[in-house]
Amino acid sequence: GNSVTQMEGPVTLSEEAFLTINCTYTATGYPSLFWYVQYPGEGLQLLLKATKADDKGSNKGFEATYRKETTSFHLEKGSVQVSDSAVYFCALSQTQGGSEKLVFGKGTKLTVNP
Amino acid sequence: NAGVTQTPKFRVLKTGQSMTLLCAQDMNHEYMYWYRQDPGMGLRLIHYSVGEGTTAKGEVPDGYNVSRLKKQNFLLGLESAAPSQTSVYFCASRGAGTDTQYFGPGTRLTVL
Repeated sequence: GNSVTQMEGPVTLSEEAFLTINCTYTATGYPSLFWYVQYPGEGLQLLLKATKADDKGSNKGFEATYRKETTSFHLEKGSVQVSDSAVYFCALSQTQGGSEKLVFGKGTKLTVNP
Repeated sequence: NAGVTQTPKFRVLKTGQSMTLLCAQDMNHEYMYWYRQDPGMGLRLIHYSVGEGTTAKGEVPDGYNVSRLKKQNFLLGLESAAPSQTSVYFCASRGAGTDTQYFGPGTRLTVL
C-alpha cells in the first residue's frame, strides 16, 4: 500500500538556520503531496502542496518540490524563526472507496531556539 | 466562519464507559474524516464519510462507530472505552473537487 516516510525528530535549530526535513513516499500512480504543520495545542494546517511531478509548493518561506524520480518531497526553509517551532507532517493523497484520503508520515518535531 | 469545530476539547473516561465526540463544519463540505493521533504514529484514519448519510471504515475502525445524519456534523462514538483508545482525536473535512483537508483543534481523550 501507499506509505510516507519522513525523517525522525526531534530537530533542534538556532534561529536563522537552514531547515531540511526529508520525506519519501511509496505510491501507485501519481498522488498529490502535502506538508501539514501542527502548532502546539492546535490542529493540523496545510502548509503547502504539489499535485504533479516537478511542481514546487511554497508558503511562508517554506518550499518543497515533487520529485518523481526520487519519490521525494523534502521540506526546506532558508532561515527558520522561533515561530516555526511545530510538528511537520508529510502526506500523500490516495483514492480508495470513492474518496480521496490522506496517508501521513509520523511527523517531525522542530524546535527553533532564539 | 468557524471552520471545523470539535466538542469536547478534553475528556476522561473510565474503562467500559461510552461517549460521543462531535465534529461540526460550516463550509458545506461533502467529505468528513476522523483520525487519531498517537505519539510516533502520525495520524491514522478511523472512519470517513463521503456525504450525508454515508460512512466507511478507515485504517483503524475497531471499537468506534460513526454517524453522519446531517451534512455539517460527523459523530464518533465509543461504545465501551478501552485504555488503548487514549489518544488525541482530530476531525477534518474536505470540499468536493478539492484535495485539501481542514482540521479541527482536536479532542484529547484519556481512558483510565
